[in-house]
Amino acid sequence: GQNIDQPTEMTATEGAIVQINCTYQTSGFNGLFWYQQHAGEAPTFLSYNVLDGLEEKGRFSSFLSRSKGYSYLLLKELQMKDSASYLCAVVDSNYQLIWGAGTKLIIKP
Amino acid sequence: IAGITQAPTSQILAAGRRMTLRCTQDMRHNAMYWYRQDLGLGLRLIHYSNTAGTTGKGEVPDGYSVSRANTDDFPLTLASAVPSQTSVYFCASSDSTSGSDTGELFFGEGSRLTVL
Repeated sequence: GQNIDQPTEMTATEGAIVQINCTYQTSGFNGLFWYQQHAGEAPTFLSYNVLDGLEEKGRFSSFLSRSKGYSYLLLKELQMKDSASYLCAVVDSNYQLIWGAGTKLIIKP
Repeated sequence: IAGITQAPTSQILAAGRRMTLRCTQDMRHNAMYWYRQDLGLGLRLIHYSNTAGTTGKGEVPDGYSVSRANTDDFPLTLASAVPSQTSVYFCASSDSTSGSDTGELFFGEGSRLTVL
């Protein structure tokens, strides 16, 4: 079966750095997405990786290793507004999106 | 403001009743999707449409139907609601020209449905 694993919940301090991991086992791979979802709101796009390596976008970076079936989202200079759930999703060989259950990130002052 | 509009935002429904969740987008995106989101689970695809006039079944289609008469609208119908359909429903669209799920998804604000 296809599987996406993310930690259920993480806690970090304002101003710090946090890394949210995502491991996947899917039938094929055609890219990986990260979305942010604030409580009670819609998911919004953060990043897309299809090649190995690090993609940096402001305070957020996303890393991919296809050989390890692994990605992480790195958030720097954490702000209270970063408190949200972070969803990892993989595009499989049939170009279907497989979603992880999400990681709830709690930021403390 | 361009985007996706869902209605209603919240609804309580008696079991056995018929319900249609509406979804309209003004971005002229080809592909549209309906997901349900339940606590502790990832988003699950109910139905999708790659282009107007075509629809397909996702991971959890039973009990739901959709139609895509035009590019902008993609309603989701529960013919006879059951309590297990209590969930938050998200409509999404993408500018996918090949029918593949490699495009960024734009989500509506969600419809919270409670079936009693």
